[in-house]
Amino acid sequence: GESVGLHLPTLSVQEGDNSIINCAYSNSASDYFIWYKQESGKGPQFIIDIRSNMDKRQGQRVTVLLNKTVKHLSLQIAATQPGDSAVYFCAETYAGGTSYGKLTFGQGTILTVHP
Amino acid sequence: KAGVTQTPRYLIKTRGQQVTLSCSPISGHRSVSWYQQTPGQGLQFLFEYFSETQRNKGNFPGRFSGRQFSNSRSEMNVSTLELGDSALYLCASSPNSGGDTQYFGPGTRLTVL
Repeated sequence: GESVGLHLPTLSVQEGDNSIINCAYSNSASDYFIWYKQESGKGPQFIIDIRSNMDKRQGQRVTVLLNKTVKHLSLQIAATQPGDSAVYFCAETYAGGTSYGKLTFGQGTILTVHP
Repeated sequence: KAGVTQTPRYLIKTRGQQVTLSCSPISGHRSVSWYQQTPGQGLQFLFEYFSETQRNKGNFPGRFSGRQFSNSRSEMNVSTLELGDSALYLCASSPNSGGDTQYFGPGTRLTVL
């Protein structure tokens, strides 16, 4: 059949607000999670990662929270800036077994920051 | 350090043709993974190469193939192109295989007419 395309969730915020982007992952065996930012015409850019032995990790202006019980991941961006406008993807992988370099991506969330 | 580079950046082909895309990983990285990105399916894993060996393969037909050279550079090939192969093809490299952060190149935009 004809593809109807992914309808990406969108998040619209004002400059200076905090943003929270959510992601539900699928594989309970996944033990490594990454957030990527993709701007138009570019490849995904690494933001922050977290391993399954942690439930929170902080970077510069960003925090990732991991809830393994409900298989949920979130990315918090503090003091959001117009330059943060992009599509954000979560990705999961399993470091052991045969998954090796395979990342499974979420559908993505479009973040728009208004000045 | 230079990032992941991909060539060409843009490509237009017609149905039935074949195409070869190239990826140079970050210096010192030994693992290269390939992904296809389309509006309809999102980002999907194609395959991963490590030390010239294919370690993992996604759910794509045999028309999609790849290889890795001794200097870790990788190529992917798509034969008998179909309209649905139009996509952004992304290459990512990591130091080793499994559990390392993958860093992406800018991608090759393939259009099949």
